[in-house]
Amino acid sequence: NAGVTQTPKFQVLKTGQSMTLQCAQDMNHNSMYWYRQDPGMGLRLIYYSASEGTTDKGEVPNGYNVSRLNKREFSLRLESAAPSQTSVYFCASSEGPDYEQYFGPGTRLTVT
Amino acid sequence: QKEVEQNSGPLSVPEGAIASLNCTYSDRGSQSFFWYRQYSGKSPELIMSIYSNGDKEDGRFTAQLNKASQYVSLLIRDSQPSDSATYLCAVNLMEYGNKLVFGAGTILRVKS
Repeated sequence: NAGVTQTPKFQVLKTGQSMTLQCAQDMNHNSMYWYRQDPGMGLRLIYYSASEGTTDKGEVPNGYNVSRLNKREFSLRLESAAPSQTSVYFCASSEGPDYEQYFGPGTRLTVT
Repeated sequence: QKEVEQNSGPLSVPEGAIASLNCTYSDRGSQSFFWYRQYSGKSPELIMSIYSNGDKEDGRFTAQLNKASQYVSLLIRDSQPSDSATYLCAVNLMEYGNKLVFGAGTILRVKS
């Protein structure tokens, strides 16, 4: 039982490059989330998916897109990376919106 | 006023003492409350959940909830250096579609 897995663990991009962060969960959860965490800013919700087939914007969606590929997988895409997107990205999942969330190990992204 | 507010700290306590961490929230209708621990460079880890007014104990941890005053606290008894981490409070807020909203966290330092 791996819980929530994320790939890659680390990534360095140049400004303007694109990439996709992958997330998968094996807990049969309905809801999945993407957060970014910057020093002193706490966790900020980028996008979430309440259930398979639905996605909604969170607090800081600009510059990102998401795909809920199936119940297990939720990917985050940066189409044209900017230095302001340098951050640690966490994926999380839960049974529903007001249930406890379980987090993946995170992706540390640097955009130069 | 932030929706879920925590003192950023750092809160410094000597080894063996009781650490008291507090969190206030804005929504009188909130029903789900969680405490997470996050070590430096790691992802948030769920340590306690509480749903009813009063105390809930789990080992050295006690969560306390007072819905009338809109605060939830976490007590850590017999604090150990290994408890040094950032503690995040999460509360479901109806304003955000009943999703969990995380506080920015309190840094706890336990000195040996």
